Amino acid sequence: QSVLTQPPSVYAASGQKVTISCSGSSSNTGNYYVSWYQQFPGTTPKLLIYDDYKRPSGIPDRISGSKSGTSATLGITGLQTGDEADYYCGAWDGSLNAYVFGSGTKVTVL
Amino acid sequence: QVQLVESGGGFVKPGGSLRLSCAASGFTFSDYYMSWIRQAPGKGLEWVSYISTSANTILYAPSMKGRFTISRDNAKNTLYLQMNNLRADDTAVYYCARWGPFDYWGQGTLVTVSS
Repeated sequence: QSVLTQPPSVYAASGQKVTISCSGSSSNTGNYYVSWYQQFPGTTPKLLIYDDYKRPSGIPDRISGSKSGTSATLGITGLQTGDEADYYCGAWDGSLNAYVFGSGTKVTVL
Repeated sequence: QVQLVESGGGFVKPGGSLRLSCAASGFTFSDYYMSWIRQAPGKGLEWVSYISTSANTILYAPSMKGRFTISRDNAKNTLYLQMNNLRADDTAVYYCARWGPFDYWGQGTLVTVSS
């Protein structure tokens, strides 16, 4: 059972927008920055978003992050088949004194 | 460019030990906190531990505290994870990553614990 809750899967048609939620608590997402990672099967995770909404160099602006209260959201617009991957949110948890990840969300492009 | 290369994974019996290494290059290793993260087969990401630049601050995930020891050698640009009393549920790919956020990851090294 992950401390951060993500939907197991989300679906959207090519070209459409998909959003992935990450729900936590005041111990983690509510008071600490959220990051988002993309992982293709058999490969290393890649940082997409950090500090709730910032994009590292090279990440396109069709990828976005936001946060409200204890819930964070990753958005991907102009969905492409190349976006089919697993996405994980993560944040520090001040109560556990540990970094916690969500259980991951699989994005499928219809 | 930044490179992190893990090594030391392999097959070990329950109760055994392994020492993982992560060789860093392309950045000033001693300026960065570093971390280990693992991923069991078919499962999600699980943070293992982090270590500060001079090893003054070290934290572990609760389930690994007491069995795992993180360390670093800044002169060798290398991060380590000593894993003792290994259990079947420690079977995973172990990644090293630059901490806060995890902006660079190694390719991972597979640890298999089985009798």
